[in-house]
Amino acid sequence: AQKVTQAQTEISVVEKEDVTLDCVYETRDTTYYLFWYKQPPSGELVFLIRRNSFDEQNEISGRYSWNFQKSTSSFNFTITASQVVDSAVYFCALISWRDDKIIFGKGTRLHILP
Amino acid sequence: GAGVSQTPSNKVTEKGKYVELRCDPISGHTALYWYRQSLGQGPEFLIYFQGTGAADDSGLPNDRFFAVRPEGSVSTLKIQRTERGDSAVYLCASSATGEGTEAFFGQGTRLTVV
Repeated sequence: AQKVTQAQTEISVVEKEDVTLDCVYETRDTTYYLFWYKQPPSGELVFLIRRNSFDEQNEISGRYSWNFQKSTSSFNFTITASQVVDSAVYFCALISWRDDKIIFGKGTRLHILP
Repeated sequence: GAGVSQTPSNKVTEKGKYVELRCDPISGHTALYWYRQSLGQGPEFLIYFQGTGAADDSGLPNDRFFAVRPEGSVSTLKIQRTERGDSAVYLCASSATGEGTEAFFGQGTRLTVV
């Protein structure tokens, strides 16, 4: 069975602080893909990043960075110098090559306080 | 089109009625997904199309739910004899080929059954 766990239901930080959103996944497949999506108050899911299981390099995109560790089945997301506009619900997701369902975690609601 | 388009954006219907929700995917995308999102939850998989065929409909909750994609582009999700528990945001996504490529979501249709 495949599963994505986002243990942090809700996080609040003050603007300019760094914040890390945790994601732990389960899959029996060796080939899979991991995603992060942002869902702002408008409701649309915005794609942020996709990683495949063979590429453990960490990635940085501006203030965003992702730490993929197969040894702990984790794909954590860090926002550096957070801004109020980062306030949203963030979802981690998994898809395996044998199963085209994208499995989502329950999401982490992030509040950035001015 | 530029993005995934869903219509209507909001739908209020009476219990027992039939509803159709439409999804226009990104032009050229062969893979199309339907998800349902209840308040405070992550998106829940309903059905996945590859071209015209439903490759995986294991997420449809019961036989009141049905979806079609007759020409491999626009898809319609159909719900018969609606129940109050069907109230949710119904999300559609498309991706270039499926197979782990990134999926882009529409803004969703908020269905309220009264």
